[in-house]
Amino acid sequence: EVQLVESGGGLVQPGGSLRLSCAASGFTFSSYWMSWVRQAPGKGLEWVANIKQDGSEKYYVDSVKGRFTISRDNAKNSLYLQMNSLRAEDTAVYYCARGKHWDYWGQGTLVTVSS
Amino acid sequence: QSALTQPASVSGSPGQSITISCTGTSSDVGSYNLVSWYQQHPGKAPKLMIYEGSKRPSGVSNRFSGSKSGNTASLTISGLQAEDEADYYCCSYAGSGCWVFGGGTKLTVL
Repeated sequence: EVQLVESGGGLVQPGGSLRLSCAASGFTFSSYWMSWVRQAPGKGLEWVANIKQDGSEKYYVDSVKGRFTISRDNAKNSLYLQMNSLRAEDTAVYYCARGKHWDYWGQGTLVTVSS
Repeated sequence: QSALTQPASVSGSPGQSITISCTGTSSDVGSYNLVSWYQQHPGKAPKLMIYEGSKRPSGVSNRFSGSKSGNTASLTISGLQAEDEADYYCCSYAGSGCWVFGGGTKLTVL
């Protein structure tokens, strides 16, 4: 059974940092692109970043470029999102999702940026 | 990276058919056959319903279908059922490795 489990969310002050993790199981993690998608409270979905199978390609939405870094560890079946210089508008549930079509999603982890 | 345009809400009675539109530009929807549709129930993670414009993942009812004409993609749900009531989001590849979502459509089954 495919499972994606996010962790690392929480309350952080503006300007702070947080590292999200996504533990994958039930499939060959190293064979898939992986992505982070977020959803602000009461709002729609927003693609944040994605990473190629071997980590050689990474793409970001303009609003997080230079602040967020996506990475992966195929040996640990894990996806990460390092978030720096956090802003109030980064407050959202962050989901990791599998593949180019996002056929499996995790349950999400809530990031709240507030003083 | 501008959001795709979806109607805020649509509604229909059980058994009826509804269509949700998703309008983009020649730089996203119009250029690639890479539109996906997601269903999201309150408090739940999104679920993939359609990918590459018209393909259904295994396990998704054939009541759901997708199409595209020019810069507009559409999701049609036939034989509406109560459990179809949810938010629906379209998403398109926008080039240079980037993806863009629509604002979402709330479907109400009357």
